[in-house]
Amino acid sequence: EVQLLESGGGLVQPGGSLRLSCAASGFTFRNYPMSWVRQAPGKGLEWVTAISEDASSTFHADSVKGRFTISRDNSKNTLYLQMSSLRVDDTAVYFCAKRDSSMGPFDQWGQGALVTVSS
Amino acid sequence: EIVLTQSPGTLSLSPGERATLSCRASQYVRSGYLAWYQQKPGQAPRLLIYGASSRATGIPDRFSGSGSGTDFTLAISRLEPEDFAVYYCQYHYNSRAFGQGTKVEIK
Repeated sequence: EVQLLESGGGLVQPGGSLRLSCAASGFTFRNYPMSWVRQAPGKGLEWVTAISEDASSTFHADSVKGRFTISRDNSKNTLYLQMSSLRVDDTAVYFCAKRDSSMGPFDQWGQGALVTVSS
Repeated sequence: EIVLTQSPGTLSLSPGERATLSCRASQYVRSGYLAWYQQKPGQAPRLLIYGASSRATGIPDRFSGSGSGTDFTLAISRLEPEDFAVYYCQYHYNSRAFGQGTKVEIK
């Protein structure tokens, strides 16, 4: 059974930093591209960032470019999201999501990690 | 950048009724890269449809997707109690744009 388990969420002050992790199991992690998708309270889904299977390519939404960094450790089956210069409007539930191919849909999702940016 | 517009914003229906949800793209999109997701309160989204019309693993056949070009539709033939949720479309080719969602609520 595929499982994606996010951790590292919490309360952080504006301008602060936080790192999310997503532990993957039940599939060959190194073979699949991964993404982070977020959802602000009461709002829709917003794609944030993506990384290729071998981490050679990364992509970021304009809203987080220069502030968020996606990475992965295929030896640990773990995806990361390093967030810095956090803003109040970064408050959201952050989901890690597996794609079935480089252009495929998000076929598996984690349960999400809540990040609250507030003073 | 492709923008996906879903309509209606809210659909009020009774169990057993048919639901028809629309997703319109701001420009031509490749059908093989249009997906639909279902999200219930407090849960992660779940993939329902990919390639505009293919059901994901384990998705009941009351869910169907259709469309091409700029206009796509998700239909639920007979609403079950567990189908009341928010539905999102997504173009996952060279963008990762999501529509804003359609809420299907109990009338």
